[in-house]
Amino acid sequence: DAGITQSPRHKVTETGTPVTLRCHQTENHRYMYWYRQDPGHGLRLIHYSYGVKDTDKGEVSDGYSVSRSKTEDFLLTLESATSSQTSVYFCAISEFAVGSGSDRGSYNEQFFGPGTRLTVL
Amino acid sequence: AQSVTQLDSHVSVSEGTPVLLRCNYSSSYSPSLFWYVQHPNKGLQLLLKYTSAATLVKGINGFEAEFKKSETSFHLTKPSAHMSDAAEYFCVVSEHFGNEKLTFGTGTRLTIIP
Repeated sequence: DAGITQSPRHKVTETGTPVTLRCHQTENHRYMYWYRQDPGHGLRLIHYSYGVKDTDKGEVSDGYSVSRSKTEDFLLTLESATSSQTSVYFCAISEFAVGSGSDRGSYNEQFFGPGTRLTVL
Repeated sequence: AQSVTQLDSHVSVSEGTPVLLRCNYSSSYSPSLFWYVQHPNKGLQLLLKYTSAATLVKGINGFEAEFKKSETSFHLTKPSAHMSDAAEYFCVVSEHFGNEKLTFGTGTRLTIIP
């Protein structure tokens, strides 16, 4: 399994409080991602990073910010949590790979962490 | 822009019978396609990937998928279902050459009947 950990694994908080989730990797992969998973929506990208201090927004970035000061850590912050941010949050990492032989394409295979279940009351 | 549609939100099959999970995609470029599996309260695990080479792709645990460009489909199959296959399955598309983002389908929950 890819070396990805997320902390905390579970958190209950109140509306209006700040929350920070941490993703830590030991694979030295360049790309890191934060997703949220909600019933009926699959996984939706919140923010991603393509290098230290290089980040960009995903499709559901409102209310979230991220930071990446080291290759191995990617932080997701909810500045003022709302009940609509109750979800399961997954971190992922990737490094573009190029296949060989019969598998010659380049591809972005992402490896996922175990998830953080966040409840905002 | 890329998108993916999983045609069934829930599929039930009996143990030992074939599995078919359907996926259609849309992409402006030559895509990479993936199937991921998520067991209850777990993270996502890659089952298999298509990356513009062989159109029939074999993955782990006996699963395979066939890329059909003319039908824009990437259906997941397995000849004989096992109880341990009960999980949620996600079809995912990514465009080549600089698009780092994956787009996920909404998932298909597979139930295995003993």
